[in-house]
Amino acid sequence: ELQVVESGGGLVQPGRSLRLSCGASGFTFDDYAMHWVRQAPGKGLEWVSGISWNSDKIDYADSVKGRFTISRDNAKNSVYLQMTSLRADDTALYYCVRDKTAIPNYAMDVWGHGTTVTVS
Amino acid sequence: QSVLTQPPSVSGAPGQRVTISCTGSSSNLGVSYDVHWYQQRPGTAPKLLIYGNSNRPSGVPDRFSGSKSGTSASLAVTGLLAEDEGHYYCQSYDSSLSGSVFGGGTKLTVL
Repeated sequence: ELQVVESGGGLVQPGRSLRLSCGASGFTFDDYAMHWVRQAPGKGLEWVSGISWNSDKIDYADSVKGRFTISRDNAKNSVYLQMTSLRADDTALYYCVRDKTAIPNYAMDVWGHGTTVTVS
Repeated sequence: QSVLTQPPSVSGAPGQRVTISCTGSSSNLGVSYDVHWYQQRPGTAPKLLIYGNSNRPSGVPDRFSGSKSGTSASLAVTGLLAEDEGHYYCQSYDSSLSGSVFGGGTKLTVL
């Protein structure tokens, strides 16, 4: 079964840091790009960041550029999101998502259940 | 304000057809980046509904169809069912922003 599972969310004070992790299973991880997408309470989807299969192409939303860092470890079938200088408006459910291709610019076809980050 | 513009809500009676529009610009839909659609039922993660403008993943009923022309795209749902209620999002890639973008979402209500 294709699966991605997020972890690492929690309650954190403004200005502090948090690292999200996402483990993948059921597919050849290094064939695919990965994304982080978030959803604030009662709001729509916001793309946060994407990383290509080999980490050569990395994109960030303007809202997190300079504060968040995405990375991946293909040997561990994992992708990470290091979040620093957290703000109240970073409060959201963070989804780990697989891209259908190796480059992070296409459709997102495997979604996790999300991990909640609360900045307060 | 989202880069891709969707109507906040649409509604229809069971069995009817509804469409949801998604309007972009020359830096996303207009430069031939594909549009993709997601369905999010309450309390669940989004699900890919349409990819590459008009392709359905396996398991998605053919009641759902997508199209794209120029800087606009649309999702059509025919034969509305109660289970179709939820939020629908369009998504593409934007060359000016160098990143993926979502529409603001459309709430579909089955009357």
